[in-house]
Amino acid sequence: GIQVEQSPPDLILQEGANSTLRCNFSDSVNNLQWFHQNPWGQLINLFYIPSGTKQNGRLSATTVATERYSLLYISSSQTTDSGVYFCAVITGGGNKLTFGTGTQLKVEL
Amino acid sequence: NAGVTQTPKFQVLKTGQSMTLQCAQDMNHEYMSWYRQDPGMGLRLIHYSVGAGITDQGEVPNGYNVSRSTTEDFPLRLLSAAPSQTSVYFCASSYGTGSLSYEQYFGPGTRLTVT
Repeated sequence: GIQVEQSPPDLILQEGANSTLRCNFSDSVNNLQWFHQNPWGQLINLFYIPSGTKQNGRLSATTVATERYSLLYISSSQTTDSGVYFCAVITGGGNKLTFGTGTQLKVEL
Repeated sequence: NAGVTQTPKFQVLKTGQSMTLQCAQDMNHEYMSWYRQDPGMGLRLIHYSVGAGITDQGEVPNGYNVSRSTTEDFPLRLLSAAPSQTSVYFCASSYGTGSLSYEQYFGPGTRLTVT
């Protein structure tokens, strides 16, 4: 099956810093989503981005499908950005998501 | 729209007990699925459904049953709970079946402990 690797596995930032999270996948994909799992365990949809670039406030994402990677940019980080960021992909038809193992982000004052 | 709802939020079971985790969505989504999340890991697919009356197995189906009698509801049954089923369970839904893929939306999760 498809392999989804995320880096870095852990990241500690000072509030106000910028960061880039990476998601590499081993096969072509029909769907790619970024999620934020907050410290209470909720999974929050950030982006649905099988290709191209999207922005939502301080967050933006780019997927280069031909090179099999996606990037999530967080600018001017805040403590509320803490949590785990997951990349998840669908390859082939259908709607079965395969998740990466996540990036654990901690933003400190 | 309430989106995807799950009940209960927390549950403790003893080994061998049975229970049903409830999942409902009010977005008229054809596709629904169940995932489990174990500590330090991403989510893994248990079962999924592409429409009422149609279900199929995912990556980790053993020990779980599902059925889908309506578009809105997709319950997950544990017939005889085991400690290895201690996990957080998420339900998800989306438009689309077949070769088309759409954005998926997740419920708040059910935290299950089996002693």
